[in-house]
Amino acid sequence: QKEVEQNSGPLSVPEGAIASLNCTYSDRGSQSFFWYRQYSGKSPELIMFIYSNGDKEDGRFTAQLNKASQYVSLLIRDSQPSDSATYLCAGGEDSSYKLIFGSGTRLLVRP
Amino acid sequence: DVKVTQSSRYLVKRTGEKVFLECVQDMDHENMFWYRQDPGLGLRLIYFSYDVKMKEKGDIPEGYSVSREKKERFSLILESASTNQTSMYLCASSFMGTNEKLFFGSGTQLSVL
Repeated sequence: QKEVEQNSGPLSVPEGAIASLNCTYSDRGSQSFFWYRQYSGKSPELIMFIYSNGDKEDGRFTAQLNKASQYVSLLIRDSQPSDSATYLCAGGEDSSYKLIFGSGTRLLVRP
Repeated sequence: DVKVTQSSRYLVKRTGEKVFLECVQDMDHENMFWYRQDPGLGLRLIYFSYDVKMKEKGDIPEGYSVSREKKERFSLILESASTNQTSMYLCASSFMGTNEKLFFGSGTQLSVL
């Protein structure tokens, strides 16, 4: 069974710190990875996607992918209380419409 | 902005009832999806459609069916609702192709009593 694993948290960090969210996946066929942010009571919204090994930066967010280790991470620099949410990692194969979602990591940023 | 609209935010139904959840998107997306989200289990794909009148089973299709008669509308049908179908249901859409960015609706919290 294809799985995406995330620590459920909560991960608690002080305001201004770097938050590091991690995700591992079991399917070596997965080529594309996505990070969705979900505020409590709201629907998920895409914040980052990454297809290639290495780092991808967008503002305060950096996604990292290591296909050999089957590991994906999301770094949030200068964390703000407004970043407090659940972060969902998802992976998919190029030939598939199906994304496999992890159960999410809850992030709390303390003022 | 892409808008994916789900007809109801909260729904309460009785066991055995036939339930219709409606989803409409306004961005001419080819792909549409139905997920359910349960605490600790993440999002699980029920059904998806990559074209009008086309449908594919996801990971948990049992007890559900879908209909896509028009490109913008994707309906999820619970043929005979059961208590284990109490969940948050999320509709999503995306452009043609695989591994595209998903745009989610605001969700329908369904309670089956």
